[in-house]
Amino acid sequence: GAGVSQSPRYKVAKRGQDVALRCDPISGHVSLFWYQQALGQGPEFLTYFQNEAQLDKSGLPSDRFFAERPEGSVSTLKIQRTQQEDSAVYLCASSLYGDQPQHFGDGTRLSIL
Amino acid sequence: KQEVTQIPAALSVPEGENLVLNCSFTDSAIYNLQWFRQDPGKGLTSLLLIQSSQREQTSGRLNASLDKSSGRSTLYIAASQPGDSATYLCAVKITGGGNKLTFGTGTQLKVEL
Repeated sequence: GAGVSQSPRYKVAKRGQDVALRCDPISGHVSLFWYQQALGQGPEFLTYFQNEAQLDKSGLPSDRFFAERPEGSVSTLKIQRTQQEDSAVYLCASSLYGDQPQHFGDGTRLSIL
Repeated sequence: KQEVTQIPAALSVPEGENLVLNCSFTDSAIYNLQWFRQDPGKGLTSLLLIQSSQREQTSGRLNASLDKSSGRSTLYIAASQPGDSATYLCAVKITGGGNKLTFGTGTQLKVEL
């Protein structure tokens, strides 16, 4: 596709379940970013990949959060043992290179019951 | 730690009015500053990007200015239209801080007929 694609668009899970969120970046984009956006707030950085290498994971809030991009294209953000405070919109962005403008997907809205 | 603040948090104006949105940041060592638009349930659309060496950027009815020394940016929207209703976010990329963006909390704009 022409833009960044995220799936699922909505995810409801019970507290304690594991979830996996997928991001398909724009074809050929080297850099990929994950952000978390709580209701009424701006997005907050989680992690950054350059190709398959995870160069910055300083924003991951706990060791329950894990991201991967094994082939340098599609990325998955996994949250283990979900908690209610994990409820948010998770945005993925890609850019041709790290210093180029980031293009965002529509996000996955995660609700933890 | 870079902090980004946006004022006002919400704004309602009649159609046709010119308006200014404000963004301030605490660390002036920025690489660039970007203004985004976010519609409900959607991702972010980039409006304007200002490099640290630039003072302003223009696109159609939008003009963004940057004053690094005072840690401020403004987004000027001329002749506002109902279609401009959205949340506007500013984000900075810090020099030497990797490629992550630090966002403000946004200004929710409503342009009324």
